[in-house]
Amino acid sequence: SAVISQKPSRDICQRGTSLTIQCQVDSQVTMMFWYRQQPGQSLTLIATANQGSEATYESGFVIDKFPISRPNLTFSTLTVSNLSPEDSSIYLCSAEVAEAFFGQGTRLTVV
Amino acid sequence: KQEVTQIPAALSVPEGENLVLNCSFTDSAIYNLQWFRQDPGKGLTSLLLIQSSQREQTSGRLNASLDKSSGRSTLYIAASQPGDSATYLCAVNGGAQKLVFGQGTRLTINP
Repeated sequence: SAVISQKPSRDICQRGTSLTIQCQVDSQVTMMFWYRQQPGQSLTLIATANQGSEATYESGFVIDKFPISRPNLTFSTLTVSNLSPEDSSIYLCSAEVAEAFFGQGTRLTVV
Repeated sequence: KQEVTQIPAALSVPEGENLVLNCSFTDSAIYNLQWFRQDPGKGLTSLLLIQSSQREQTSGRLNASLDKSSGRSTLYIAASQPGDSATYLCAVNGGAQKLVFGQGTRLTINP
């Protein structure tokens, strides 16, 4: 199993600013994943973060809006840039160690 | 493109009842299927993982089945308790460890 620590757990941000979310895994993992869960919706994959290479983004998500860092095998960050109210969601990171494990999520509210 | 559907969207039952949650997927070429639990405003807790070669998995009062050829999975909860109240999500891994999620079933167990 894996334990994933994600922070912040929640934040309220002004329009036009950015929020950086951090995820720390208690073991080394090859791939980490970032998901968005819009209000009342299920999870949608934003990107896959591999250590030592650029993240791979899913259709509809771009690096300028969601830059990702993966400096080592236990850590990743997701930045949500130029915030608008439509970015208000829960953002979750995930890693797979035989099965998928998730952080506790970051609830972002943009005002 | 893989699509995952969960029925019903919401379910309310009295404590002690046995219940079944359903998950269907359109592309049977999957590596595994995972059931999660999500409490309000929180991250996901992994419940059961079924590999594509398996027919079912059990953990305590939970039993998950998989019929890959028909694109269906069920989660059976025995002797339901109020603490089982949560949203239950199924997710299909079609490759590259990317998960496609259903919309979830919101379960309420009434004391």
